[in-house]
Formats: sequence, C-alpha cells, structure tokens
Amino acid sequence: QVSLKESGPALVKPTQTLTLTCSFSGFSLNTNGMRVSWIRQPPGKALEWLARIDWDEDKFYSTSLKTRLTISKDTSKNQVVLTMTNMDPVDTATYYCARAISGTYFDDWGQGTLVTISS
Amino acid sequence: QSALTQPASVSGSPGQSITISCTGTSSDVGGYNYVSWYQQHPGKAPKVMIYDVSNRPSGVSNRFSGSKSGNTASLTISGLQAEDEADYYCSSYSSSTTGRYVFGTGTKVTVL
Repeated sequence: QVSLKESGPALVKPTQTLTLTCSFSGFSLNTNGMRVSWIRQPPGKALEWLARIDWDEDKFYSTSLKTRLTISKDTSKNQVVLTMTNMDPVDTATYYCARAISGTYFDDWGQGTLVTISS
Repeated sequence: QSALTQPASVSGSPGQSITISCTGTSSDVGGYNYVSWYQQHPGKAPKVMIYDVSNRPSGVSNRFSGSKSGNTASLTISGLQAEDEADYYCSSYSSSTTGRYVFGTGTKVTVL
C-alpha cells in the first residue's frame, strides 16, 4: 500500500528558508520510472506544481520559482526533501507531495501540510 | 505561471450529467494526451479521477469520463450524486517555459 506524508514547520518567518520532507512507503525511488513531485495550494486557491525528482536523479522546477527551490532525495530513508528560500506571506499554502509513476499524472498524494508565512 | 482555464462553478441535479471544460494551449493540453483530472473534497488531498485524457484508475466510478478536442479537455460526470460535490482540477503535461506541469483554475461542482 502506497503512502506519502509531508512534514515540516507550520509557521515560517518572511525571508527564512522552508524545508519540507516527504516520507513515503510502498514504493522505492530507486525503481525505474518512479517520480515524486511537490505541489502547493494557497488557501481557497488552485493547485500549483513546484518541482519533481526522478529515480535517476533528474530534477525539474517551476520556472517562476526555480531560483528559490531545491529538491533532493534520500532513497535509504524513503524521503524527498524540498527547500524554498526567501519565504514570503504569498507562499502561505498547503504543500503536498505526490507520486507520479508514469510522469504524466499524480497517482498518490500525501495529506498535505499547511505552512503559514508570518512574522 | 499560466494556468489552464476552467469554469469557476458547475451545478446539476442528482442523476443529471455535467461537463467541466479545461482550456489550454498547444504547449500543454493540445500538445499531449497527458491531461488528468483531480477531485478534491474540502480539507482533503486531491484524488486522481482521470489520467491520460480518458483513462480511469482502478476504483474510480465509470460515471466519470474524460475527452479532449484540440486545446480543450473535458470531464463528464454522469448520474450526478451528492458525493460528487467537490472541487475539480485538470492538469496537463507541458512543454512551455512555465515548467513540466500546469494545473487548471479549478471548478466547484454543486449538486442541487
């Protein structure tokens, strides 16, 4: 059974760096074709794709946020980590991690973690 | 980042059929058969309902169907039920400069 869970701080101050961890089970990021993405959703607003890391270490980022994002993986711990620098109140959102086996859609999602940016 | 365009809201009575549109460009919806649809109930994570334009994951009701014509994809819910009331988002693989994936603006489905 596939499971993903996001963890990280609930409150971050403006200009600080956010670090989120996606811990997963039921699959391995060493498996050919496996991919994990981060997606966020501001309160009451639409989903926004942020970044993706693949089994072969390929990484992809949203162009508008590319300079602020870093995605990495620790296959021994079954974790994917997203860091976002220079946080701003507009970055307040629920952050989700999601698996994408084929790379064309997101087949399993974590429950999400709400991150509020405020001083 | 340019989102795919969806109607803000669609409503229907129980048993009726409704269709949600998702309009993009030739760099996303029109360029790939990689449109997916997600259902999101309040306070919950999105759940994939349709992938690769018209495929249903195991466990998803056959009342949900997807299609695409040109730069516009559509999700149809037939035999509308109270449990279908939720937000729906489309998504597409993209070759645009915005990144690998783009989501729609979201549609609130109300069962009257």
